[in-house]
Amino acid sequence: DVKVTQSSRYLVKRTGEKVFLECVQDMDHENMFWYRQDPGLGLRLIYFSYDVKMKEKGDIPEGYSVSREKKERFSLILESASTNQTSMYLCASSLPARDTQYFGPGTRLTVL
Amino acid sequence: KQEVTQIPAALSVPEGENLVLNCSFTDSAIYNLQWFRQDPGKGLTSLLLIQSSQREQTSGRLNASLDKSSGRSTLYIAASQPGDSATYLCAVRPQRSSNTGKLIFGQGTTLQVKP
Repeated sequence: DVKVTQSSRYLVKRTGEKVFLECVQDMDHENMFWYRQDPGLGLRLIYFSYDVKMKEKGDIPEGYSVSREKKERFSLILESASTNQTSMYLCASSLPARDTQYFGPGTRLTVL
Repeated sequence: KQEVTQIPAALSVPEGENLVLNCSFTDSAIYNLQWFRQDPGKGLTSLLLIQSSQREQTSGRLNASLDKSSGRSTLYIAASQPGDSATYLCAVRPQRSSNTGKLIFGQGTTLQVKP
């Protein structure tokens, strides 16, 4: 079974803090994705990576950056957290030739 | 720009009913379409994937259909059970994203099946 894990289920941070969200997959997938999910807006893609050290902006990259130093790990970084970044963050991975994305359990981030 | 819409946003049915969830998309140039299930506070689980060349896929009590020309997909759930209560999301993979696997999601339909 593919397993995608996220470092925290719940996280509370203060405005201006630097926040790291970690995602690890154990199936040697090339593609990894970070989404945020908000009521009424659905899932929106923040960034994705199709190989180590390779990344591309998604639909809402502003205020975020990412890091992929190893194939199994994809980190989302909030350089200076703001209250409008309070959300559920979901990580996913997939093979390039296969279509199914496998999702982690999500991290609910609250920025005060 | 591809947009995916799911109607209704919420649905409540008694146990045992057959039901249909709807998904529509604006651009028919898709690689495939997927239906996902999300339980409260959790990640997404893939239920069914339909390639653009296919008309439907079945898994147990679930059947998903795809009409690419009209930009529509339906998820049919037979003999619904309380354990089917969850949010169901539809996602399309645009043809231009075929190498990256990028998905465009609908907002989901939250289903409640009452015992």
